[in-house]
Amino acid sequence: TQLLEQSPQFLSIQEGENLTVYCNSSSVFSSLQWYRQEPGEGPVLLVTVVTGGEVKKLKRLTFQFGDARKDSSLHITAAQPGDTGLYLCAMIQGAQKLVFGQGTRLTINP
Amino acid sequence: GAGVSQSPRYKVAKRGQDVALRCDPISGHVSLFWYQQALGQGPEFLTYFQNEAQLDKSGLPSDRFFAERPEGSVSTLKIQRTQQEDSAVYLCASSFSGGWKTQYFGPGTRLLVL
Repeated sequence: TQLLEQSPQFLSIQEGENLTVYCNSSSVFSSLQWYRQEPGEGPVLLVTVVTGGEVKKLKRLTFQFGDARKDSSLHITAAQPGDTGLYLCAMIQGAQKLVFGQGTRLTINP
Repeated sequence: GAGVSQSPRYKVAKRGQDVALRCDPISGHVSLFWYQQALGQGPEFLTYFQNEAQLDKSGLPSDRFFAERPEGSVSTLKIQRTQQEDSAVYLCASSFSGGWKTQYFGPGTRLLVL
């Protein structure tokens, strides 16, 4: 059973377009993290969201945590080729074990 | 920079062989984690150490998988009698301490079992 469902699984868009990817669960999160992973590398933490309704911005990336803390979204404005990668959401379970979604593979075409 | 390093980066094994994967965490990091990432999937938790103590090994898929961190720094993940379904990227991560502290991931070891 997948605790975290990410959608879409694959997304290919042109440079300059906007996009949103989603992370959903039937369970309430205590907190949620978003990571980006590039080929041949490990995931790199982008943000941690803790409070329901929280919005965090990281340059052109906007992260939102749902009010009920069961979903989250990542919005990218004016996507650039450097944004290409695998975007993973993860919930912290127990002490600090991370449970990841299956990821959204994003390709930005020049 | 002194990030998490893993070796080897690539390993090809024949089915039935034993393999050992090494992780060098960031100096001073107390916590160390191993994850398995199958092709096209997100990482899945395998095991967790705090210093030399293995506090959670609930994610190890079978008794063929064994991890150790004898001196509380370097860790080794050993897979005995490898099988094709063990083919995956094995990621190591470390963090300064427990709780909310950020986990820093290494580049992974890509294991292919033929």
